[in-house]
Amino acid sequence: AQSVTQPDIHITVSEGASLELRCNYSYGATPYLFWYVQSPGQGLQLLLKYFSGDTLVQGIKGFEAEFKRSQSSFNLRKPSVHWSDAAEYFCAVGARSNDYKLSFGAGTTVTVRA
Amino acid sequence: DAGVTQSPTHLIKTRGQQVTLRCSPKSGHDTVSWYQQALGQGPQFIFQYYEEEERQRGNFPDRFSGHQFPNYSSELNVNALLLGDSALYLCASSWTGQDHSGNTIYFGEGSWLTVV
Repeated sequence: AQSVTQPDIHITVSEGASLELRCNYSYGATPYLFWYVQSPGQGLQLLLKYFSGDTLVQGIKGFEAEFKRSQSSFNLRKPSVHWSDAAEYFCAVGARSNDYKLSFGAGTTVTVRA
Repeated sequence: DAGVTQSPTHLIKTRGQQVTLRCSPKSGHDTVSWYQQALGQGPQFIFQYYEEEERQRGNFPDRFSGHQFPNYSSELNVNALLLGDSALYLCASSWTGQDHSGNTIYFGEGSWLTVV
């Protein structure tokens, strides 16, 4: 069975600083990986996804993530955060491209200070 | 183009009651999945519906059941509600056709259920 670990429960970052959120997955085959963002009281918005090919994927809102098979990681980065990036971020893994049984991590809450 | 829509947005029920939540998938999508997100946790997969049948199920009791209609919309039913069923219930939709970049799963904004 697949699983996801997000080691950081809460991260505080200054506006304009860089951000990196960690995600480690466990899955025996090639994983399909996702990052979602959830603003307070809202549903989930897809930031980016990795299915195959280039291990560095670009997403919306200036986010990118790098798939590292050797480390079983899929960390999310943004070079310069904006106050509007304050939200909860979830990493998820699926078994194949049309498998809708995603396994989510517990999430990382990002606070942006002025 | 409307995305995934869910109703109601908020509701309060009493222990032992039954609840029905509704979901309309994004236009062109034929698969619907339901997730439960308890406060402070990540979403947990409940089940998936395709062609009006339950195709996959997560680790949830039989009190949780669902249905998919010919227009691809879906309902989630929970019987004999427990306090622990209080959560945000998220519906997600996607298209089962092959997409070279991998099929994208879109989520609705959820239905907040409080059991008292």
